[in-house]
Amino acid sequence: KQEVTQIPAALSVPEGENLVLNCSFTDSAIYNLQWFRQDPGKGLTSLLLIQSSQREQTSGRLNASLDKSSGRSTLYIAASQPGDSATYLCAVSRGTSYGKLTFGQGTILTVHP
Amino acid sequence: NAGVTQTPKFRVLKTGQSMTLLCAQDMNHEYMYWYRQDPGMGLRLIHYSVGEGTTAKGEVPDGYNVSRLKKQNFLLGLESAAPSQTSVYFCASRPRVETSYEQYFGPGTRLTVT
Repeated sequence: KQEVTQIPAALSVPEGENLVLNCSFTDSAIYNLQWFRQDPGKGLTSLLLIQSSQREQTSGRLNASLDKSSGRSTLYIAASQPGDSATYLCAVSRGTSYGKLTFGQGTILTVHP
Repeated sequence: NAGVTQTPKFRVLKTGQSMTLLCAQDMNHEYMYWYRQDPGMGLRLIHYSVGEGTTAKGEVPDGYNVSRLKKQNFLLGLESAAPSQTSVYFCASRPRVETSYEQYFGPGTRLTVT
């Protein structure tokens, strides 16, 4: 059974700092990995999706990497801003699973001015 | 284009009562999913559907039923609510085409069972 773990559970940083969120998964036979952002009381917004054949994806100040062999992904946020404060979730899917996602518990990020 | 919508947004039930949560999407997506989110547990898949008239069990299906009579709607039913079903419920959808893997989520339904 696939298990996804996110470390740290919570992170507080000053504005402007570069930071890394970690995601690990136990079964390397994944089809893709997706990073989401969730604001308090809201739904999930997709940030980046990495196919299993890719090593990284970038969107603005965000960069996500994937190392299937070691079962790890990182989300790098450059020059953090208070507006980045949210919960960040990673999720993986298998190729034959009709897109069913297995989620980590999330990292709660607080960026203070 | 409203994306994925969920009704209701909030609901309080008493133990043993029944209710139906409605998910609607206007993106013509084939795949639809119901997840629940509990503190410290992440999101867990309840049921999913790969097309109109089809449904399948996810990771935590007990106590729930679903129906997909129309492609744009996916209903989640609780026949006899229990306090353990207090949670936030999210619906999501995705196209079937393998070039578009991204899932789109609704805003959630916060359910409390007393």
